[in-house]
Amino acid sequence: DQQVKQNSPSLSVQEGRISILNCDYTNSMFDYFLWYKKYPAEGPTFLISISSIKDKNEDGRFTVFLNKSAKHLSLHIVPSQPGDSAVYFCAASSTGANNLFFGTGTRLTVIP
Amino acid sequence: DGGITQSPKYLFRKEGQNVTLSCEQNLNHDAMYWYRQDPGQGLRLIYYSQIVNDFQKGDIAEGYSVSREKKESFPLTVTSAQKNPTAFYLCASRDIFTEAFFGQGTRLTVV
Repeated sequence: DQQVKQNSPSLSVQEGRISILNCDYTNSMFDYFLWYKKYPAEGPTFLISISSIKDKNEDGRFTVFLNKSAKHLSLHIVPSQPGDSAVYFCAASSTGANNLFFGTGTRLTVIP
Repeated sequence: DGGITQSPKYLFRKEGQNVTLSCEQNLNHDAMYWYRQDPGQGLRLIYYSQIVNDFQKGDIAEGYSVSREKKESFPLTVTSAQKNPTAFYLCASRDIFTEAFFGQGTRLTVV
């Protein structure tokens, strides 16, 4: 049973526009959420995280929004750049449990 | 220079053979993980370890084994019981409430 879901397998965006990647989760015990970026044949690299005490966290062009009541988070990339083209994974964990659950990923393509 | 190192980068296995993938970290993290990625799919957890000499099965542990004799090392053995081992394997480590750091992965192919 997939506890973290990314329902859009792919997304294409024009350079300079906003990219919005979505993630849903089912476990209400999750209280820490992360986004990773992955290129083919490489390990994922950490982008940004948010704890459940916040509803927004910003780092440069990347902003993560958390809606706890909807069990939904999103990653906004503004402005999108061709170098952002990659697969993006969201992940979630809960306090006291060291396990980290990943979604299936969304492939972002930024068109120059 | 802190990080997590996986070796080898590419590995070929014959039918019926056991192979071991190496994962070493010098980040002083307590928890370590093994994930498997198949084409077009997400990261599926094989095993994880929260402390030395302790580990738990993840979602797809059948056909795999691990050990955690040292904090820095978490090797994964792909046994002959794993019927479809061709995949990209990722090792990670983290502390609670921090991000997980990943190695560069090992691509295992059955020949």
